[in-house]
Amino acid sequence: KNQVEQSPQSLIILEGKNCTLQCNYTVSPFSNLRWYKQDTGRGPVSLTIMTFSENTKSNGRYTATLDADTKQSSLHITASQLSDSASYICVDFYGNNRLAFGKGNQVVVIP
Amino acid sequence: EPEVTQTPSHQVTQMGQEVILRCVPISNHLYFYWYRQILGQKVEFLVSFYNNEISEKSEIFDDQFSVERPDGSNFTLKIRSTKLEDSAMYFCASSEGVGENIQYFGAGTRLSVL
Repeated sequence: KNQVEQSPQSLIILEGKNCTLQCNYTVSPFSNLRWYKQDTGRGPVSLTIMTFSENTKSNGRYTATLDADTKQSSLHITASQLSDSASYICVDFYGNNRLAFGKGNQVVVIP
Repeated sequence: EPEVTQTPSHQVTQMGQEVILRCVPISNHLYFYWYRQILGQKVEFLVSFYNNEISEKSEIFDDQFSVERPDGSNFTLKIRSTKLEDSAMYFCASSEGVGENIQYFGAGTRLSVL
């Protein structure tokens, strides 16, 4: 059973437009929820980290939200740029320093 | 900016051979990790390492795998007898601490087992 489910699997958006990516997680006890950006052939890069007491956190044009009651998170990308084309991975940090990764939302930004 | 470096970037090996993947974590970090990502699939946790011993490992990390910090800078993952299904991208990561500390990932080593 997947511990972290993400949707949509992939999407194509026009440069300059906004988009929202969804994540549902099931693992508990929950410690924090993370979003990573992974460019093709590269390692993941951390975008945001939220504890259960936080419901929103921003990093530039990226804004993550968290609803710990429903175990849902979203990542909103504002005014997308071509360099935003990547896989966005939702990660549940649980237990003693373990990460459970989602399969990622593949975003393609086109001019 | 400090970064995690991994070598080699691509390793090709024959089934049954031993491979050692190398990582140099960020210098002031205390926690080290290995992950793998099979092509087209999600990243999977293998093992975490702290204070010269394994702190956690997943069910994937069986007796074929071992990790070592042979000196003050390197962190290695050894696969004793590679199988075809070991073909994947292997990522090393490090962090200053646990909890909300960021794990910084290297660019990965692509392992191809023939």
